[in-house]
Amino acid sequence: GAGVSQSPSNKVTEKGKDVELRCDPISGHTALYWYRQRLGQGLEFLIYFQGNSAPDKSGLPSDRFSAERTGESVSTLTIQRTQQEDSAVYLCASPPPEGLHSGQYFGPGTRLTVT
Amino acid sequence: RKEVEQDPGPFNVPEGATVAFNCTYSNSASQSFFWYRQDCRKEPKLLMSVYSSGNEDGRFTAQLNRASQYISLLIRDSKLSDSATYLCVVNKGGANNLFFGTGTRLTVIP
Repeated sequence: GAGVSQSPSNKVTEKGKDVELRCDPISGHTALYWYRQRLGQGLEFLIYFQGNSAPDKSGLPSDRFSAERTGESVSTLTIQRTQQEDSAVYLCASPPPEGLHSGQYFGPGTRLTVT
Repeated sequence: RKEVEQDPGPFNVPEGATVAFNCTYSNSASQSFFWYRQDCRKEPKLLMSVYSSGNEDGRFTAQLNRASQYISLLIRDSKLSDSATYLCVVNKGGANNLFFGTGTRLTVIP
């Protein structure tokens, strides 16, 4: 596709359940970022992938959060034992190959609601 | 101190007005700067990069003041469709040094 896609667009889950969010980056964009945006708040960095290098996980808020990416393809963000404070929009983004100085392209996000 | 700070607003302006937002950043080594637009319940979208010499795109003008460590966005002849949250973004360089402001909310009133 032409842009970053994410699925599902909306997810409602019960507290304590696990959820898996998916991001399909733009073809040819080797870097991929996950962010979280709580209602009325700014973007929080979660994790960064660059090609086959070890990911930068420094933004993950707890060990309940994990993410995977195989090569330069799809990434999945998994949240285990969800809590109400996990409710947010989870955004995936990738910069073009020339790098961050050209900006970021965001997917439409997954809106997660934990009840 | 936050890496990037913005006045959250809201700014409520009439159609046709000129409005300006500022954003300050804390790290003098920051290398590149952007304004993003985020509509309600949508993802952020790149509005414009901010160049050292300042740049203009139609009704939008962005400027960078390195000495005072701020960037600005000026919108002339505001349209109803300009209503959105405007995010200031700063790249300190390197692969993972992109910092987002919390955004300034603009509402253009008919």
